[in-house]
Amino acid sequence: EDQVTQSPEALRLQEGESSSLNCSYTVSGLRGLFWYRQDPGKGPEFLFTLYSAGEEKEKERLEATLTKKESFLHITAPKPEDSATYLCAVQLDFGNEKLTFGTGTRLTIIP
Amino acid sequence: DSGVTQTPKHLITATGQRVTLRCSPRSGDLSVYWYQQSLDQGLQFLIQYYNGEERAKGNILERFSAQQFPDLHSELNLSSLELGDSALYFCASSPKRSSYNEQFFGPGTRLTVL
Repeated sequence: EDQVTQSPEALRLQEGESSSLNCSYTVSGLRGLFWYRQDPGKGPEFLFTLYSAGEEKEKERLEATLTKKESFLHITAPKPEDSATYLCAVQLDFGNEKLTFGTGTRLTIIP
Repeated sequence: DSGVTQTPKHLITATGQRVTLRCSPRSGDLSVYWYQQSLDQGLQFLIQYYNGEERAKGNILERFSAQQFPDLHSELNLSSLELGDSALYFCASSPKRSSYNEQFFGPGTRLTVL
């Protein structure tokens, strides 16, 4: 069964304290891995798409990387406004285009 | 702002009732997806439409149905509502032609069944 697991479930960091979030997946045929940011009561906001192992994408304080079994979202010198739930999702190579989401990492940045 | 709009923002109704949720995709997007997000289940794919045709089904209950109209807006119909149907319902759309197929989400409709 295709699975997406995110860790940790929750993470509290001091402002400026860098860290990484993990997304591991067990799927047969990955078409793409997506990272989203979700604020409470809002829709997920698209951040990155990664397609092949070794690929890296950057956006402001965020950097996403992909290996054959997992993806990391590294946050450098975070600010309080980076507090949110970060979701990863996979899209399979064959079949429909649905996204299968992990349960997310709830990130809190303390000023 | 993703460009995807959903109405209403909030909906409060009683068990056994029927409701309709509406979604307008981003300009030019032909695919519309519906997802349900509950506290214990996370984001779950329900159904996808592409240019008016049903393309894929996920964990959608028989009491739920959807359609996409010629102007590409979509409606999700939920009937015989139960307490467990209380959740956030999101619509997403994806680009007309893209090898990347990112999905852009709307702000959601919060459904509360009492």
